[in-house]
Amino acid sequence: DAKTTQPTSMDCAEGRAANLPCNHSTISGNEYVYWYRQIHSQGPQYIIHGLKNNETNEMASLIITEDRKSSTLILPHATLRDTAVYYCIPLSRGSQGNLIFGKGTKLSVKP
Amino acid sequence: DSGVTQTPKHLITATGQRVTLRCSPRSGDLSVYWYQQSLDQGLQFLIQYYNGEERAKGNILERFSAQQFPDLHSELNLSSLELGDSALYFCASSSPRNPAEQFFGPGTRLTVL
Repeated sequence: DAKTTQPTSMDCAEGRAANLPCNHSTISGNEYVYWYRQIHSQGPQYIIHGLKNNETNEMASLIITEDRKSSTLILPHATLRDTAVYYCIPLSRGSQGNLIFGKGTKLSVKP
Repeated sequence: DSGVTQTPKHLITATGQRVTLRCSPRSGDLSVYWYQQSLDQGLQFLIQYYNGEERAKGNILERFSAQQFPDLHSELNLSSLELGDSALYFCASSSPRNPAEQFFGPGTRLTVL
């Protein structure tokens, strides 16, 4: 599986968009990009995933660059409850689903 | 609420002891995954079961074992416990349609004294 690089931490003002980048320059053609988050000591929560097209759901949007070497998770209107560690996880199609969590980005949403 | 339940929520025990953690997956999910989260190692995949059979193994110690029963609930057995086994243990489940879209339980916090 591809290696990822994420900022250690980021701040965002409440109500503003939070843009969380992830570099996955070694991603292979059959690897999806999954995003999870973990609110303090709770179980991780699935957010969204994509292969090459941009994706949107009720929680977030995922923008994947055309070369697929990086992606950005966008929380359009961050709230205090979005304060969490966000993980970007490449995973190949057909995988059993064993998630390899890196260190992630600690997002702090401030009032 | 993810639909995945784990018991107990907290467990305090002594070194050398053996404990069992229990997980009930979401209704209809056939896969169960176990993860360990310690302060120094982060979140680590331990083992996966699919419909009663072991499917994948991660960084699981030989002192640890797991099984999935016919009703699809799973148990993680930790034996000869050491101080370093103190951690949060999460169980997750997923459907065959998208194994990587996992639903995590609230975790069991294990403290080994």
